Amino acid sequence: EVQLVESGGGLVQPGRSLKLSCVASGFTFSNYGMNWIRQAPGKGLEWVAYISSGSSYIYYAETVKGRFTISRDNAKNTLYLQMTSLRSEDTALYYCARPPNYGGYFDYWGQGVMVTVSS
Amino acid sequence: DIVLTQSPALAVSLEQRATISCKTSQNVDNYGISYMHWYQQKPGQQPKLLIYEGSNLASGIPARFSGSGSGTDFTLTIDPVEADDIATYYCQQSKDYPWTFGGGTKLELK
Repeated sequence: EVQLVESGGGLVQPGRSLKLSCVASGFTFSNYGMNWIRQAPGKGLEWVAYISSGSSYIYYAETVKGRFTISRDNAKNTLYLQMTSLRSEDTALYYCARPPNYGGYFDYWGQGVMVTVSS
Repeated sequence: DIVLTQSPALAVSLEQRATISCKTSQNVDNYGISYMHWYQQKPGQQPKLLIYEGSNLASGIPARFSGSGSGTDFTLTIDPVEADDIATYYCQQSKDYPWTFGGGTKLELK
């Protein structure tokens, strides 16, 4: 069974940093690209970042480019999102999501981890 | 960026047909594939994939759900609507980065 478990969220002040993790199980993590997607309270979904299986290809939403860094450790089956210079508008539930091998959609999602940026 | 536009809400009666639309600002077809996907999200839950690449039913999704359309106009149909289908539905394109979602359509009971 595919499982994605996010952690690392919490309350952080504006301008500070936070690092999210997503531990994957139930599939060969190193064979799949991975994504972070977020959802602000009461709002819709926003794709944040993508990393290919071997980390060769990385893409970001313009809203986070230059502030967030997606990375992965295939030996640990773990996806990361390093978030710096956090703003109030980054407050959201952050999901890690797995696409199929060749596809730009998300067939597995974690439960999400909440990040609140507030002073 | 490719902008996806959905109506915010749709009221429907049980056992009737619901038609949810998604219009894109650019063509999301390429080489005969529509890079349009649909998700269902219930309160407090993560989104669930319903339809991928325009019209393909995701694994475990009932045949009451179907997707259609091409180019810039897409539709998710639920026929017939059941009580368990009351949720918010999102379209998403993967033709170009950044991948983008529609604002969501909340399906409500009439």
